Amino acid sequence: EVQLVASGGGSEQPGGSLRLSCAASGFTFSNYVMTWVRQTPGEGLQWVSSISASGESTYYADSVKGRFTVSRDNSKNTTDLQMNSLRAEDTAIYYCAKRFRYCSGGSCELSWFDPWGQGTLVTVSS
Amino acid sequence: DIQMTQSPSSVSASVGDRVTITCRASQGISTWLAWYQQKPGKAPKLLIYGASSLQSGVPSRFRGSGSGTDFTLTISSLQPEDFATYYCQQADSFPLTFGGGTKVEIK
Repeated sequence: EVQLVASGGGSEQPGGSLRLSCAASGFTFSNYVMTWVRQTPGEGLQWVSSISASGESTYYADSVKGRFTVSRDNSKNTTDLQMNSLRAEDTAIYYCAKRFRYCSGGSCELSWFDPWGQGTLVTVSS
Repeated sequence: DIQMTQSPSSVSASVGDRVTITCRASQGISTWLAWYQQKPGKAPKLLIYGASSLQSGVPSRFRGSGSGTDFTLTISSLQPEDFATYYCQQADSFPLTFGGGTKVEIK
């Protein structure tokens, strides 16, 4: 069974940092694009970042570019989201998700995702 | 960025009803569209990808259609477990974007 377990959320002050982690199991992690999506009550679902299966390519939403860094360790089956210079508007539930199926061609990062992890709550407030 | 606009934002329906949700892209995305279902307190679940392909394990009462800018998700006979919020997502280009969601409520 595919499982994604996100952790690392919590409360942080504006300007602070948090590191989210997503532990994967039940599939060949190194074969799949991974993504982070966040959800707020007011803004709905917002894509945050994606990372290629190898980790060589990364993609970011403009709202987090330069502040967030996505990485992965294919030997440990984990993907991390390092969040720096946090802002109040980063407050959300953060989900990690796996590309819905194996892809070996180009543009694998442009995709849909399934399943998603359970989410981890990040609150940025003074 | 490609804007995804869903309508309606909410719909009240009864078990057995046919429900239709629409999603419009601000520019053509061919069939690079997916639909997700989300229940309260849970993560989204992929229902439809490629505008009309049913994800494995999803009941056949869910049907997706459309291409270009206009897409539809139809639930042919609403079941109690289908009361949830539905989102569309485009995968034509970065940034990946989602619609605002449609909440299907019990009438």
